[in-house]
Amino acid sequence: SQTIHQWPATLVQPVGSPLSLECTVEGTSNPNLYWYRQAAGRGLQLLFYSVGIGQISSEVPQNLSASRPQDRQFILSSKKLLLSDSGFYLCAWGGLVSPLHFGNGTRLTVT
Amino acid sequence: ELKVEQNPLFLSMQEGKNYTIYCNYSTTSDRLYWYRQDPGKSLESLFVLLSNGAVKQEGRLMASLDTKARLSTLHITAAVHDLSATYFCAVVLLRGAGGTSYGKLTFGQGTILTVHP
Repeated sequence: SQTIHQWPATLVQPVGSPLSLECTVEGTSNPNLYWYRQAAGRGLQLLFYSVGIGQISSEVPQNLSASRPQDRQFILSSKKLLLSDSGFYLCAWGGLVSPLHFGNGTRLTVT
Repeated sequence: ELKVEQNPLFLSMQEGKNYTIYCNYSTTSDRLYWYRQDPGKSLESLFVLLSNGAVKQEGRLMASLDTKARLSTLHITAAVHDLSATYFCAVVLLRGAGGTSYGKLTFGQGTILTVHP
C-alpha cells in the first residue's frame, strides 16, 4: 500500500533563516505531488504541484520554492523565512483518479 | 475562478441529533471529496463523489452530490462525540493533458463540528 512520509513534524525557526521540508511517497511510481499550507483559520492553499521529476508549478507567488529531485521525493524550501510563512504545511499525492492523500504535516512557527 | 463555500462554518450539536453541512461551488466540476481533520492533525479522506446523484455512506455520515445544483451535502445522523472535527469539501478540476495531468483541489473553508453530550 501507499504511504507518505513528511518531516519534521514541528519546526520553530527565526525570521531570515532557511527552510527545508521533505516529503517522500512509498508504494507508487510517478505520483502527482502537492504542497499545501493551512494557516490559522483553517483554509488550505495550494502552493506547488509536480507531475514528474524536475517539473514544478507554483500556484501563488511567495517566498517559498519547491523541488522534486527524485520520483517520490518532494522538497519545500525557503532561503529566508518571513513571519507570514508560519503555518501547517501538508504534502499530498494523488488527486487525478483518486482523492489526495495527505502526510501528517509540519507545523512551522517563524519567530 | 472556482469558489467553494461551506455552511455552516461552525456547528454545535447535541449527541443524538441530525444535521447537514452544505458545500456549494461555482463552476462545473469533475468530482468532489469530503475530508475530516482532527485538531492538530492532517486530513483524512472520507468520501469520493464522482457523478451526479452519487451518494456514499459510512457509519453516521452520508454524502451526496448534485452537479446540476453544484451542491454537495454531508448529513450527520444521531451525532456522537467522536464525530467532533473539522470537515472540508474539496472540488476537483482536472488540468493539463496526458502525462502532465493533475487534479487541482479547491477546498471549502471547513466546518468546525462540536458534538456535546
